[in-house]
Formats: sequence, C-alpha cells, structure tokens
Amino acid sequence: ETGVTQTPRHLVMGMTNKKSLKCEQHLGHNAMYWYKQSAKKPLELMFVYNFKEQTENNSVPSRFSPECPNSSHLFLHLHTLQPEDSALYLCASSQDRRTGELFFGEGSRLTVL
Amino acid sequence: DAKTTQPNSMESNEEEPVHLPCNHSTISGTDYIHWYRQLPSQGPEYVIHGLTSNVNNRMASLAIAEDRKSSTLILHRATLRDAAVYYCILRDVRGVGNDMRFGAGTRLTVKP
Repeated sequence: ETGVTQTPRHLVMGMTNKKSLKCEQHLGHNAMYWYKQSAKKPLELMFVYNFKEQTENNSVPSRFSPECPNSSHLFLHLHTLQPEDSALYLCASSQDRRTGELFFGEGSRLTVL
Repeated sequence: DAKTTQPNSMESNEEEPVHLPCNHSTISGTDYIHWYRQLPSQGPEYVIHGLTSNVNNRMASLAIAEDRKSSTLILHRATLRDAAVYYCILRDVRGVGNDMRFGAGTRLTVKP
C-alpha cells in the first residue's frame, strides 16, 4: 500500500467510447503525475500537476485529457482512443514538483479494442 | 528522452551482493540521482536517492562517482524478492523540464 490508489485496475474500451481513469493520494502531496507504460517500452511521462496547475504536457495527443480538481485527485479522461494506446497507466505523487520521492499507484491496465 | 543509461539486464545469485551501474554524463549541478524499482505487476517503488555523497538506507546503498557522471546501486545481499527492473533517473531540484524521465532500466534476475 503506497497511499496512491488507482481505479479501475483494468479497463477495456472501444475506440468510440469515453472513459476516465482516477487516481487518489492520501499522502498530503502537492504534485501528481501520469505515466504510460507500454509493452517493451520505458515509462513515458505524460502530464505533471503541481499545486493543481498543469506544469508539463509531454506532447500527449488530445484524446488524453487530464484533470486535477484538487491536490489529492487526478483524472485522465479518455476518448476516441486507438489500439496502440493500450498500456498500463501509472499515477504517481510527490511532495511537490521539486522535492520528495515519487509514490506510484499500481496502475490501470487499459485495453483498446 | 532519459538522461541516464543502464545495462539492459544483470544476473545475480541469491545472498550475494549486486552492483547496478548507471551513467549520467550530462548531469547538472541541480540534479539528484534517484533509483526506483518495479516488481512484476506493480508500480515502481522508491529505493534511494543522493546528490554527491554516498547514501545508505535499509534497502540499499548508493555510491556516487566523484564527478557525479555515474552511480552504482548496491544491494548487499540479493534475495529472490529483489528480482525487478531497476531504474536510475535524475530529479532537478528546480522542478524544471526534462527530469523525471525513466529509461529502460536494468532487469535484475536473482538465481537461487
């Protein structure tokens, strides 16, 4: 138990669906991150939020839309995805963007049919 | 792109020490060196970090070269539960740009 909870753990969706991934942290952290881990590829940093403000968008396609309503919650809204978007999506948090180690959730395994 | 390079894989025998190397030749003065590991079917977990001096904690030791262009994670007695992918990443204390990028990491296999 890392203090970072991701739901759902598994998601299957069609290319025309709209779904969301949720991340919640109970650590009092102020920075939250989305990473994508595809098979045979390194973790890719997607988005960074610091004190609820998006500080980085790592050239992520617009079919991925992040939302950070408060420092404890982070969402990744998904729409019109492609099969190559199938991957493990990992959420992490840290004290803030500059300090503290990353605490990761267990990930949401997404399959796009 | 990741700013670190690591061997793709390493093997160790159980109960023996393991030295996992990482090169970061373009490290800046504001970069901390962080190590994480990812066990099968789990998210990465923090192992250790340092800036200039060697560091020890209950999980591992971190040896940092004097010029800071390389570092080594040391597991003093490998167990089967240490089999994982180990990542070395740089974290800029200024909280800017191109840090927090993971490379392919080193897949450690521990043989009984």
